Amino acid sequence: DADVTQTPRNRITKTGKRIMLECSQTKGHDRMYWYRQDPGLGLRLIYYSFDVKDINKGEISDGYSVSRQAQAKFSLSLESAIPNQTALYFCATSAIISETQYFGPGTRLLVL
Amino acid sequence: AQSVTQPDIHITVSEGASLELRCNYSYGATPYLFWYVQSPGQGLQLLLKYFSGDTLVQGIKGFEAEFKRSQSSFNLRKPSVHWSDAAEYFCAVGAGSSNTGKLIFGQGTTLQVKP
Repeated sequence: DADVTQTPRNRITKTGKRIMLECSQTKGHDRMYWYRQDPGLGLRLIYYSFDVKDINKGEISDGYSVSRQAQAKFSLSLESAIPNQTALYFCATSAIISETQYFGPGTRLLVL
Repeated sequence: AQSVTQPDIHITVSEGASLELRCNYSYGATPYLFWYVQSPGQGLQLLLKYFSGDTLVQGIKGFEAEFKRSQSSFNLRKPSVHWSDAAEYFCAVGAGSSNTGKLIFGQGTTLQVKP
């Protein structure tokens, strides 16, 4: 079984809709991250969490919110989706003592 | 501020030829450096990482990378490319011993392999 899972894998939604992307991990890591990938821009950090009570904004947090429901679960919400949020979204995890991040398979989101 | 530059957006090599993907970083102290690979439709897989010690690091799938502090570079190499190496490659830098847990990624290099 995969260590980092993301649901859904693909999603099409309409402008103005609220959508939630979910991430679960079985690696026992405390740190979790949400990135978006756009062609030519690499991966950009949206939010990150160092434990259940610690949530931090990344470089592109506007229009997004997150929830760390448990050590193993970290959800990303788009409160009111807009077309320029069409992207590939990745969840990642890392242990406290290491900066090596382990990535989920990604969620491809299309906002019409 | 930390930054990572991958100067080559797209590279094409013939199968069996050698490969070098360039990565330059900007960071005041000794960084943690990573190379990840993303195959089509897949997530990112760690190829190799440098934290300290020997500046030539070996990774999976026959890849290696060399940390050159004087050039602020961490180039990825492979002596003989296989068709299955066609993918997008990302260099990333972490904040080293300060361990902020955050990575900065380069823009990525897409590798095409010709038969």
